Amino acid sequence: DIVMTQTPLSLSVTPGQPASISCKSSQSLLQTDGKTYLYWYLQKPGQSPQLLIYELSSRFSGVPDRFSGSGSGTDFTLKISRVEAEDVGVYYCMQGIRLPLTFGGGTKVEIK
Amino acid sequence: EVQLLESGGDLVQPGGSLRVSCAASGFTFSTYDMNWVRQAPGKGLEWVSVITAAANTYYADSVKGRFSISRDNSRNTLFLQMNNLRAEDTAVYYCAKSISGARPDYWGQGTLVTVSS
Repeated sequence: DIVMTQTPLSLSVTPGQPASISCKSSQSLLQTDGKTYLYWYLQKPGQSPQLLIYELSSRFSGVPDRFSGSGSGTDFTLKISRVEAEDVGVYYCMQGIRLPLTFGGGTKVEIK
Repeated sequence: EVQLLESGGDLVQPGGSLRVSCAASGFTFSTYDMNWVRQAPGKGLEWVSVITAAANTYYADSVKGRFSISRDNSRNTLFLQMNNLRAEDTAVYYCAKSISGARPDYWGQGTLVTVSS
């Protein structure tokens, strides 16, 4: 199975400041079709997960442009350009190149 | 608007069985792969199973041979039959539509399965 490792475990951010979350995979997520099958989800408190970024860097429907995904191969980053209060929750990366789908352990984002 | 509504979660004794369901609306259910993903209390996300639009099924090793995923396209409903349940199966079970392949985009609100004597 592909292991997904996220850092940091938690993050406390001042509103309006940027935030960055790292995710590393144990195998390359670059498929022969040229797509990188890396996904980012946010689980807000008391809610189910919601998709933010798919295929490395595409924002899902309705996701604000302050969220961006980048990286290549096995190293990935989710960036929030200016954190807002509604961004609190746990962020998960997930690999979608191979079954079983596997998730990172999560990064909890709090507001200072 | 995509809606996924899980039901059927309950308290079950170890070794028991349970079937959870997910009623889907707002999209052409029959043309999408559908997943079950679970989350143990206070823990992260664990993929459980997927059924493709062609009805091919795949499972996590932790549930293989005990869980069975199925779908009824006439009723836009996804199922997960869980047998020989163990304490470690205690979790909120989410159904999730796939954006492509087995990769989830929209998730339901979840249904809680508790395995305890």
